[in-house]
Amino acid sequence: IQLTQSPSFLSASVGDRVTITCRASQGISSYLAWYQQKPLRAPKLLIYAASTLQSGVSSRFSGSGSGTEFALTISSLQPEDFATYYCQQVYSYPYSFGQGTKLEIK
Amino acid sequence: EVRLVQSGAELKKPGESLKISCQASTNGLISYWIGWVRQMPGKGLEWMGMVHLGDSDIRYSPSFEGLVVISADRSVSTAYLQWRSLRASDSAMYYCARPSPYGPFESWGQGTLVTVSS
Repeated sequence: IQLTQSPSFLSASVGDRVTITCRASQGISSYLAWYQQKPLRAPKLLIYAASTLQSGVSSRFSGSGSGTEFALTISSLQPEDFATYYCQQVYSYPYSFGQGTKLEIK
Repeated sequence: EVRLVQSGAELKKPGESLKISCQASTNGLISYWIGWVRQMPGKGLEWMGMVHLGDSDIRYSPSFEGLVVISADRSVSTAYLQWRSLRASDSAMYYCARPSPYGPFESWGQGTLVTVSS
């Protein structure tokens, strides 16, 4: 299953609302997760089952979608949110990742 | 919470073999999977495969099957990633991670940097 994220790069300001999308090459129900990765750090799970917030993750983050179209929204960007974001499908092996979206400060 | 501790950085020559490890603090529980993820320099995440610590059942990505060997030793709660003959293109950061009951990786190791250079 191929996952295509858009955009690949996103420039935004603190306080902005941003949305990253992830499209699957076939239907995956709600078996989608989102991760945040900062430089030289392991990824961090933000959302699983398309819209369930992982424990301890800020409510600024929200996920939506099912089937083949998904979205990660950050409601009001904070300085610590500038990072790279990945989606991952856990519907069928191999559990592939999207190519990533790098969120940069404008 | 399960803590995953990976072995240290490696500098190897092309053609050499290598085995890196990921030890889990399991609190006595071993009935779960450990996965491996590759991240080449400046690139994205690639799912390589997973091994079950309890019975060593393995799932490979077709992109990595035959290129690496994934294994586990339940007696020491450790998963392994092994190469028989390294290539320069194997240079990358390798992460191990434990999936949550819902599938995505909720706990990650600190990463093992593998550099293959003559």
